[in-house]
Amino acid sequence: EPEVTQTPSHQVTQMGQEVILRCVPISNHLYFYWYRQILGQKVEFLVSFYNNEISEKSEIFDDQFSVERPDGSNFTLKIRSTKLEDSAMYFCASNPRGLVSHEQFFGPGTRLTVL
Amino acid sequence: AQSVTQPDIHITVSEGASLELRCNYSYGATPYLFWYVQSPGQGLQLLLKYFSGDTLVQGIKGFEAEFKRSQSSFNLRKPSVHWSDAAEYFCAVGPRGGNKLVFGAGTILRVKS
Repeated sequence: EPEVTQTPSHQVTQMGQEVILRCVPISNHLYFYWYRQILGQKVEFLVSFYNNEISEKSEIFDDQFSVERPDGSNFTLKIRSTKLEDSAMYFCASNPRGLVSHEQFFGPGTRLTVL
Repeated sequence: AQSVTQPDIHITVSEGASLELRCNYSYGATPYLFWYVQSPGQGLQLLLKYFSGDTLVQGIKGFEAEFKRSQSSFNLRKPSVHWSDAAEYFCAVGPRGGNKLVFGAGTILRVKS
């Protein structure tokens, strides 16, 4: 069964460094998402992406964050200058039809630790 | 304000006992409704979803959920819990016309033998 994959599974970085989290969505899906879950807290929406542009973003998704689909398979989240509070589990998700169904398939997550 | 509430942070049940996890939402129109499960160190797995139609939906692993419009609820149930069901369960809603999921705070299920 097709699944969303994410790399790396765990990323440790120093405060102020740039990180790129990578995701490979399910191949025929059209909508892509990033969510994050700070330890012990709820899963929060960051951004959605469709047709090579951001379709919606949350207040969390400020100028330090960016997303890109550099080729036909990868979907990346970049944090330009990491802060301690960026430490969280980051989940990528994809959706075959977007607004119609909202059925999102999640990857296993990347745990980001900022020291 | 739009919100999703899971009032129980932790629930402990005995193996073989029945289970009900509560979820209430506050939205102007009935959203799409979901239950996800997260095992320790794992990602989010979809258990079941409600879009429209029959208000009792069946999911994987023997779970079901009932949508009650009058109560703005979408409670998750299982008639007989197995030790492997121990995990964190998240209710999520997708506002119609929107493009994201809003999650509840989650309920941690412990199963005692």
